[in-house]
Amino acid sequence: KAGVTQTPRYLIKTRGQQVTLSCSPISGHRSVSWYQQTPGQGLQFLFEYFSETQRNKGNFPGRFSGRQFSNSRSEMNVSTLELGDSALYLCASSLWGQGSNGYTFGSGTRLTVV
Amino acid sequence: QQPVQSPQAVILREGEDAVINCSSSKALYSVHWYRQKHGEAPVFLMILLKGGEQKGHEKISASFNEKKQQSSLYLTASQLSYSGTYFCGAISYSGGGADGLTFGKGTHLIIQP
Repeated sequence: KAGVTQTPRYLIKTRGQQVTLSCSPISGHRSVSWYQQTPGQGLQFLFEYFSETQRNKGNFPGRFSGRQFSNSRSEMNVSTLELGDSALYLCASSLWGQGSNGYTFGSGTRLTVV
Repeated sequence: QQPVQSPQAVILREGEDAVINCSSSKALYSVHWYRQKHGEAPVFLMILLKGGEQKGHEKISASFNEKKQQSSLYLTASQLSYSGTYFCGAISYSGGGADGLTFGKGTHLIIQP
């Protein structure tokens, strides 16, 4: 079956712009989580959605937001981009919340802010 | 607060064993283990749940000490394919229920022939 699909794979944006990243989970998975990965900070939890509701949110500013649609697809948005937002953004899906069967990660979107 | 992993890096010869440790200062609901190879997505290895249930790959073994909030991943008879960065992730309890999955900084494992 198809894995977790993230689009686009690469993005280059200018400081101050906004960006929207998309994630399609494995068919049947209802939980989608987002992570930011950087060499300095590692994997940091952004938020988790389950059945269109945000269940948890990490320690990120309000510029980072997300949503989940009725088909479980999810988007995350970053407004007023800063240079420090350059990172690999990973999406992961799970059958149930809290990843009770483990999470399957997508290949990520590499965002570069210039 | 993210879990603390040790060691930060390990270099082994093929066939040797390794143990990677993960500890948390918060009461844990579950511990996850993932491996990430350079340029690839993290891959799920195992989940250990409060109460003793474990789910994961048959060739991977791990332990979860609920009282000490510690978990260990055991890699035996290592193969070249085991190389990568290993992350432990913890889901803990807070006032509003279970938190999101928080990862440690990772353990870099290099297997040499």
